[in-house]
Amino acid sequence: SAVISQKPSRDICQRGTSLTIQCQVDSQVTMMFWYRQQPGQSLTLIATANQGSEATYESGFVIDKFPISRPNLTFSTLTVSNMSPEDSSIYLCSVEAGMNTEAFFGQGTRLTVV
Amino acid sequence: LAKTTQPISMDSYEGQEVNITCSHNNIATNDYITWYQQFPSQGPRFIIQGYKTKVTNEVASLFIPADRKSSTLSLPRVSLSDTAVYYCLVGNTGGFKTIFGAGTRLFVKA
Repeated sequence: SAVISQKPSRDICQRGTSLTIQCQVDSQVTMMFWYRQQPGQSLTLIATANQGSEATYESGFVIDKFPISRPNLTFSTLTVSNMSPEDSSIYLCSVEAGMNTEAFFGQGTRLTVV
Repeated sequence: LAKTTQPISMDSYEGQEVNITCSHNNIATNDYITWYQQFPSQGPRFIIQGYKTKVTNEVASLFIPADRKSSTLSLPRVSLSDTAVYYCLVGNTGGFKTIFGAGTRLFVKA
């Protein structure tokens, strides 16, 4: 299993500013994933954070808006840049333990942009 | 990654058995079927995973017919605390991103 800690758990930010969300895992993992969950909606994958290389972004998400760092096998950050109210969501970090195994999720960061 | 279809919502009463069916017509040979549960303000939590026939754990059972084009999550004797969103996912996990569908919102009433 894997235990994931996300910081902050919630934040209220002014539009135009940026917020960096941290994700710490208690074990080394190859891939980490960042999701967004808008109110009442399912989870949407933003990107896959790869250690030692640039993140891989899904359609509709770009590095300038959501820069990601992955300095080692237990840590990643997601930055939400130049925020607008439309960025208000829950952002979740996830890892997978291995082939055909479950994914583990952090508790999420609830972001409100005003 | 195979697309999944499941009911948007379901209602039940405490003590009843709840069955949530998921369709995945385009499931690949090496795909597994995995179900997650999500409570408000929490990340999704793994419930059960299977490849074929039947899998049972302390929380639920998963029934998968021979053609694997659908699966049914069975929750025995639900309680109010089982009110949550349940997601059916199909794929070859482990290094592959987990793609979520719309999920089924289960509401358990007293």
